[in-house]
Amino acid sequence: SQTIHQWPATLVQPVGSPLSLECTVEGTSNPNLYWYRQAAGRGLQLLFYSVGIGQISSEVPQNLSASRPQDRQFILSSKKLLLSDSGFYLCAWTLEAFGLAITGELFFGEGSRLTVL
Amino acid sequence: GQQVMQIPQYQHVQEGEDFTTYCNSSTTLSNIQWYKQRPGGHPVFLIQLVKSGEVKKQKRLTFQFGEAKKNSSLHITATQTTDVGTYFCAGDNDYKLSFGAGTTVTVRA
Repeated sequence: SQTIHQWPATLVQPVGSPLSLECTVEGTSNPNLYWYRQAAGRGLQLLFYSVGIGQISSEVPQNLSASRPQDRQFILSSKKLLLSDSGFYLCAWTLEAFGLAITGELFFGEGSRLTVL
Repeated sequence: GQQVMQIPQYQHVQEGEDFTTYCNSSTTLSNIQWYKQRPGGHPVFLIQLVKSGEVKKQKRLTFQFGEAKKNSSLHITATQTTDVGTYFCAGDNDYKLSFGAGTTVTVRA
């Protein structure tokens, strides 16, 4: 069966510090991978998606970046965090997609709660 | 761009009562998905609707896709404390899955 792991679960970082959130998927190959951010009381905002190794598409301009060094590994990074980067970050994957169109179920990781002080 | 709006934002329900949450899109959707997020948890897929006018049921939950494929609803009957959480709809159009802001449900015992 497929599983998705995301870490760290909780992170408190000072403004201006770097960030690295990691996500790995097990039990499947060539998934579409996504990073979403959820601000308190808000919906899910798509940040990045990837349809293959080394392929990253950005949906929202910001000081975050993403990388996919391996088929089932997706990393979210920042060189210098801002206060506005605080939020709940969710990694997700699906096998059923056409480009960015998700035609099947989206599986989410357990999330990483980031607080920037 | 496409926007998916959900109402109400908050729903306070007496245990045993019914309620409905609504999802509206500014554009026609190819399909719509519903997710549930328990407090402190991550969203979990509930269902996907594809056909115009489609209705699907999962026990006490009834999901409907509008005839014009621009709106959807989730109706829960005989609400239980296990129904607590935030329900999101997500619409797929133009190759992007856009999530609504969610309806956060609390239940009074």
